[in-house]
Amino acid sequence: AQSVTQPDIHITVSEGASLELRCNYSYGATPYLFWYVQSPGQGLQLLLKYFSGDTLVQGIKGFEAEFKRSQSSFNLRKPSVHWSDAAEYFCAVLGDKLIFGTGTRLQVFP
Amino acid sequence: NAGVMQNPRHLVRRRGQEARLRCSPMKGHSHVYWYRQLPEEGLKFMVYLQKENIIDESGMPKERFSAEFPKEGPSILRIQQVVRGDSAAYFCASSPTSGPTYEQYFGPGTRLTVT
Repeated sequence: AQSVTQPDIHITVSEGASLELRCNYSYGATPYLFWYVQSPGQGLQLLLKYFSGDTLVQGIKGFEAEFKRSQSSFNLRKPSVHWSDAAEYFCAVLGDKLIFGTGTRLQVFP
Repeated sequence: NAGVMQNPRHLVRRRGQEARLRCSPMKGHSHVYWYRQLPEEGLKFMVYLQKENIIDESGMPKERFSAEFPKEGPSILRIQQVVRGDSAAYFCASSPTSGPTYEQYFGPGTRLTVT
């Protein structure tokens, strides 16, 4: 069965620091992977997606993610975090339906 | 092009009442998905609909919950005889088609509180 694990419930970083949010998936076939961001009280916005091809995917707002099949991971990265990046981040895998992880809440300190 | 619209944004119901949540997909989108987000949790798939058809309702509770997407008008998620455990944020998403390369566009959600 498909599943997504985000091991970090809450992460705090300083503004300007680098960021990596972890995501591990379980899926039998080639996965279609997504990262979404949710600001408080808002819906979800797609940051980036991986379907095939280059394993390093560029997204909006300066985010990127790398698909590593051997590790069943799709970690999200940003070289320099801005205060406006504070939000909840969800990794998702698409099989017969979209399955979300439980999310990682990012706090950014000035 | 307006995004996915959901209304109401906030809904308060007393136990035993009915809740009706509406979702208008993006223009040109004929596929609608409903998700539920409980506090401190991720989104859980509930149901996938196309116009006048329920395609996958494997995530819907067996009782009290129903969904429709009529030929005309918004998609409706209906919860009858609400209980406290139904308090959650309900999100709707739409896509122009189905298949592995589609993207789902999410609405702002309806936050249901059952008192």
